Amino acid sequence: ETGVTQSPTHLIKTRGQQVTLRCSSQSGHNTVSWYQQALGQGPQFIFQYYREEENGRGNFPPRFSGLQFPNYSSELNVNALELDDSALYLCASSLAGTSGRGLTGELFFGEGSRLTVL
Amino acid sequence: SQKIEQNSEALNIQEGKTATLTCNYTNYSPAYLQWYRQDPGRGPVFLLLIRENEKEKRKERLKVTFDTTLKQSLFHITASQPADSATYLCALVNNAGNMLTFGGGTRLMVKP
Repeated sequence: ETGVTQSPTHLIKTRGQQVTLRCSSQSGHNTVSWYQQALGQGPQFIFQYYREEENGRGNFPPRFSGLQFPNYSSELNVNALELDDSALYLCASSLAGTSGRGLTGELFFGEGSRLTVL
Repeated sequence: SQKIEQNSEALNIQEGKTATLTCNYTNYSPAYLQWYRQDPGRGPVFLLLIRENEKEKRKERLKVTFDTTLKQSLFHITASQPADSATYLCALVNNAGNMLTFGGGTRLMVKP
């Protein structure tokens, strides 16, 4: 158990709809990263949030957006869903380095939210 | 472009043998490399981290090597057990230090 919880665990949406996925970080962690994992592939970095600000973004379109709250929990929002958005969405929390930014160690992953777009 | 490659074919070995998984990367100068284990339908679980100035790291039956000249990491599981069957992912931190990039993973099957 990593202490990172995600909700919902499974959901089904149709093309064009919008979805919000939620993540509670491990206690004491101030950084949250979101990953998309398609079946049979490794996780792909979407973005990272540190102290409520986006701190890096992967190669994902603007319809993927996020939020981090003062308690370090986070949301991932995806608008105008496409069939290719079907994947396991993983949230990972970590503790930023003494410089305030950057990964210094392991990521603690939640169990993911399985999104199916029909 | 930056690439991390792991053998996409499953590795099948007999219980008790040593499993060796490979991670190769190009166009990267990572500060450190990590290995994760992932079971079906679950999130990845951290196993080991090795820094660029370290050649080898061990943890119980696990051993990781990191060769920045060859741009390669090897992950070994000695005395393998059926419970070690899972997908193993290697990951590198980018130069900005704010993104972990994963390889595609290698599925390990340990047969009794």
